[in-house]
Amino acid sequence: GIQVEQSPPDLILQEGANSTLRCNFSDSVNNLQWFHQNPWGQLINLFYIPSGTKQNGRLSATTVATERYSLLYISSSQTTDSGVYFCAVSNGYKLSFGAGTTVTVRA
Amino acid sequence: DADVTQTPRNRITKTGKRIMLECSQTKGHDRMYWYRQDPGLGLRLIYYSFDVKDINKGEISDGYSVSRQAQAKFSLSLESAIPNQTALYFCATSDRREVHEQFFGPGTRLTVL
Repeated sequence: GIQVEQSPPDLILQEGANSTLRCNFSDSVNNLQWFHQNPWGQLINLFYIPSGTKQNGRLSATTVATERYSLLYISSSQTTDSGVYFCAVSNGYKLSFGAGTTVTVRA
Repeated sequence: DADVTQTPRNRITKTGKRIMLECSQTKGHDRMYWYRQDPGLGLRLIYYSFDVKDINKGEISDGYSVSRQAQAKFSLSLESAIPNQTALYFCATSDRREVHEQFFGPGTRLTVL
């Protein structure tokens, strides 16, 4: 299967700070999704972004498919942004997940 | 996603018991999936189904079985639960068309004592 590496594994931010999370993958993909897992365990779809750039409020994402990486940007972070961020990719139907980046935003 | 529901949301059971987790969706999607998440890790695929008559094993299917009762319903069974099946279980759906985005249910937290 496709290997997915996320960095950094942990990130501690002061409220209001900006940050960048990275996802590297080992093969071409037709699906790349970013998720936020909240403290209750729910997975929230952030972006479906197999290529290109998208923005949604304070979050944006860019995928450079030819170089096999994706970046998730969090701007003006808030305490509600805390949780684990997962990148997942697929070149068919099966999503392969990275190990996640745990983000802690301190007030 | 509210369009994908899972029951129960939490379950504690004992070793050797048979357990069924249920998933329903109102998105009209053909494809449904069961994943499991262990603490500190990403999700791994247990089973997937492209339609009612097409069911396939994922990467960790041993100890599990599934049933696709209808397009909208996909159940996961643990025939004889064991403690290392303690995990968070997610159901997901996707459309058969070009866009491959998967949508996840709220998860079922299963503890096997």
